[in-house]
Amino acid sequence: AQTVTQSQPEMSVQEAETVTLSCTYDTSESDYYLFWYKQPPSRQMILVIRQEAYKQQNATENRFSVNFQKAAKSFSLKISDSQLGDAAMYFCAYRPTYSGAGSYQLTFGKGTKLSVIP
Amino acid sequence: DSGVTQTPKHLITATGQRVTLRCSPRSGDLSVYWYQQSLDQGLQFLIQYYNGEERAKGNILERFSAQQFPDLHSELNLSSLELGDSALYFCASTKDPTGASSAGYTFGSGTRLTVV
Repeated sequence: AQTVTQSQPEMSVQEAETVTLSCTYDTSESDYYLFWYKQPPSRQMILVIRQEAYKQQNATENRFSVNFQKAAKSFSLKISDSQLGDAAMYFCAYRPTYSGAGSYQLTFGKGTKLSVIP
Repeated sequence: DSGVTQTPKHLITATGQRVTLRCSPRSGDLSVYWYQQSLDQGLQFLIQYYNGEERAKGNILERFSAQQFPDLHSELNLSSLELGDSALYFCASTKDPTGASSAGYTFGSGTRLTVV
């Protein structure tokens, strides 16, 4: 079974600084997707960024970028120029590209709570 | 607004009772996933429906059941409720059963269930 581990339950960053959230995963698949979701106090789950395992280039979305290390099964999220609105729970998630069982649910890590200090 | 609607937003009920949570997927999406988010277990997959049919089951208790109706909305039924069922219940929708055609899964804002 696939597992996703986020080893940092809480982190903090000064406004305008850069922070990196860690995520490791375990899978025997070679094709899969990895995601970072943001959950602010409003509790809405918001997709931040997505990475396809067959793509070597790291995904980037404005101030958010990932460092995808397939061999190490590592998928970290870097937030640059942190803003107060970035304060939230961040979840790393995995799903296989192909599933013999026909289901493509996400497997989530337990999350990292990010605080942004003004 | 994500386009996925969950009702009610909050629900408080007593142990032993039964509740129904409702999810309307984003327009055009055929697949609905239910997740339970609790403090100790994180986000756990419960069940998936695609176009009215059950596709997969995760860690769903026998006291829980779900269905997806012809208009594609889905209901999650929780019965014989226990204190430990208190959690945030999310649904997410995708256009196809794989989710590959979308940028990910679109989540609703969840139903906060409190069992007292």
